[in-house]
Parts: sequence; structure tokens; C-alpha cells
Amino acid sequence: AQTVTQSQPEMSVQEAETVTLSCTYDTSESDYYLFWYKQPPSRQMILVIRQEAYKQQNATENRFSVNFQKAAKSFSLKISDSQLGDAAMYFCASGAGDDMRFGAGTRLTVKP
Amino acid sequence: NAGVTQTPKFRVLKTGQSMTLLCAQDMNHEYMYWYRQDPGMGLRLIHYSVGEGTTAKGEVPDGYNVSRLKKQNFLLGLESAAPSQTSVYFCASTTSGSYNEQFFGPGTRLTVL
Repeated sequence: AQTVTQSQPEMSVQEAETVTLSCTYDTSESDYYLFWYKQPPSRQMILVIRQEAYKQQNATENRFSVNFQKAAKSFSLKISDSQLGDAAMYFCASGAGDDMRFGAGTRLTVKP
Repeated sequence: NAGVTQTPKFRVLKTGQSMTLLCAQDMNHEYMYWYRQDPGMGLRLIHYSVGEGTTAKGEVPDGYNVSRLKKQNFLLGLESAAPSQTSVYFCASTTSGSYNEQFFGPGTRLTVL
């Protein structure tokens, strides 16, 4: 079984600043993938970034990057140059086989 | 391309009533999932399907049934609704397994009185 833990229920960041959202996971699988999904007020879930566990290189997507620490089972999301449109719930998720587990989410507020 | 659609968007039920939520995708995806989202608990997997005619239990399957008679559709049924099933339900689909990006529907808000 997999578990995903997000210890920060809420975070806030000033526009144009950088923020890091934390995520830890636990899995007995050797082959798994990690994800960050964004859920804006519209409720539509959108993939932000995806990391293959067997790859040591951290994934990046424009202003979004991850810090993947496999031994520590940590998968944090860094948002650079935060924009007002980044305000949303962010969910960390772990996928292995047919199973998918999500964390409880972190609500990010962006202050102008 | 509509992506993933869910019907209905909102529903209010009385305890003991039954209903079916419909999920449809036009991306020819093999895998489809049903989740529920509750405050402070993220998304929890109810049931999933790895292909037409197949279904499997997820993390919280009790009180729900599913069917995948057609590849593009995945139905979630509540036979006897309970207040504990008040939640927002999301359907998702993907090409193969939980390794790939999941495409989500807009969600169905269900209230059971």
C-alpha cells in the first residue's frame, strides 16, 4: 500500500516570490511515479509535474520544479516567480501499478 | 474533444435513495477511475477499471458499485445513499496505469440528507 502525506494545510506567498510545498510518501513498490496536481477554484484537476522514481534528475516544467529525495521519500514542489493564477489547492500523488494515492492537499494563497 | 465529462454536476439525495453517476471520455483511454474528495482528506480512490468489462476495488469501495460496459463510459452507483457519502466525486481516465497523467472530469457534488 502507498501513503502520501502533505504536512502543510495552507501556505502563502508574495507575488513574484518563490514557495516550496512539502510532500512525503511511503511505498513498498520499486517502480512508481510521483505527481503534483493543481486544483484551482474551478475544481478542475490539472497535472503540474510528474517524476519517474527511477530517474535521479529532478523534473522541471517552466516555473515549477521538484526536489525528489528518494532515500528520504520526499517530493517537494517549488514554484518560482509566483503568479496570482498559481493560487489553488495542490495535491501530491503517488502511482504504482493500478493504485493511485493522493495527499490531503495544500492550499496556496498568492498575495499581490 | 470534450475530454472527460461527468453527469450530473450536482445532486441532492435523501438517505436510502439510489443514483448513478456517469463518466464519459472521448480519448480512447483504457483506464478509468472514480475518486471522492472530502475536506482535509484529498482524493481517495473508490473503484477503477483497466479496460472494458473490468472493474476493481480501490481504497474506499464500500457502499459503491461500478460498471464499465463500454470503453468510453464508467458508471458509479450508490444503491442506498448515506450521509457519509456526501462528497465531491471525480472521474479520471488515462492511457495505461497510474504511471501516466490522469485527465479529470469537472466533478459531481453530491449531498445526502
